[in-house]
Amino acid sequence: EDKVVQSPLSLVVHEGDTVTLNCSYEVTNFRSLLWYKQEKKAPTFLFMLTSSGIEKKSGRLSSILDKKELFSILNITATQTGDSAIYLCAVEGYGGSQGNLIFGKGTKLSVKP
Amino acid sequence: EAQVTQNPRYLITVTGKKLTVTCSQNMNHEYMSWYRQDPGLGLRQIYYSMNVEVTDKGDVPEGYKVSRKEKRNFPLILESPSPNQTSLYFCASSPWTGSYGYTFGSGTRLTVV
Repeated sequence: EDKVVQSPLSLVVHEGDTVTLNCSYEVTNFRSLLWYKQEKKAPTFLFMLTSSGIEKKSGRLSSILDKKELFSILNITATQTGDSAIYLCAVEGYGGSQGNLIFGKGTKLSVKP
Repeated sequence: EAQVTQNPRYLITVTGKKLTVTCSQNMNHEYMSWYRQDPGLGLRQIYYSMNVEVTDKGDVPEGYKVSRKEKRNFPLILESPSPNQTSLYFCASSPWTGSYGYTFGSGTRLTVV
């Protein structure tokens, strides 16, 4: 059965700290892994990863995928209160599971001033 | 503005009364999908559609129906809602699977009493 496990489930840090969020997965015929940020309502897209070892970066956020060990990390440096959100990881496969997006339960990040 | 529009945003209904939640996208996306989000369970896929007249079950399709008669619309139908379908629902779309991040609608908070 395809599954995505995120850790930790929740995290409290102070502004300026660096955090690492983890996502491990098992999926048939892996195609891509996606990271989303969810604040009040709809998830917003952060990154899509398809190849091992290639870091994707956007400002203070970065992410990398390890297809051999079946995990990804999302790093946030110099955290700000505006980073407080639930971070979601999702994976998609090819073939029969193409289009079937499997989400983890998310990591709730709270950044305190 | 490119967007995914869901209606209604909030809905309270009674058990057994058929309802439809509409989803429309203006980006000419081929792929559309429905999710429900519940505390402790994360986002779970209900149904998805790779193109017009093509729909597939996600992980929790029981009690739901969908149709994709035209590219821009993907309504979610609850023929006989039950209290366990009380949830936050999201529609999402993408140009095609595996190539881009998915754009989510603002969500529909459904309560079945």
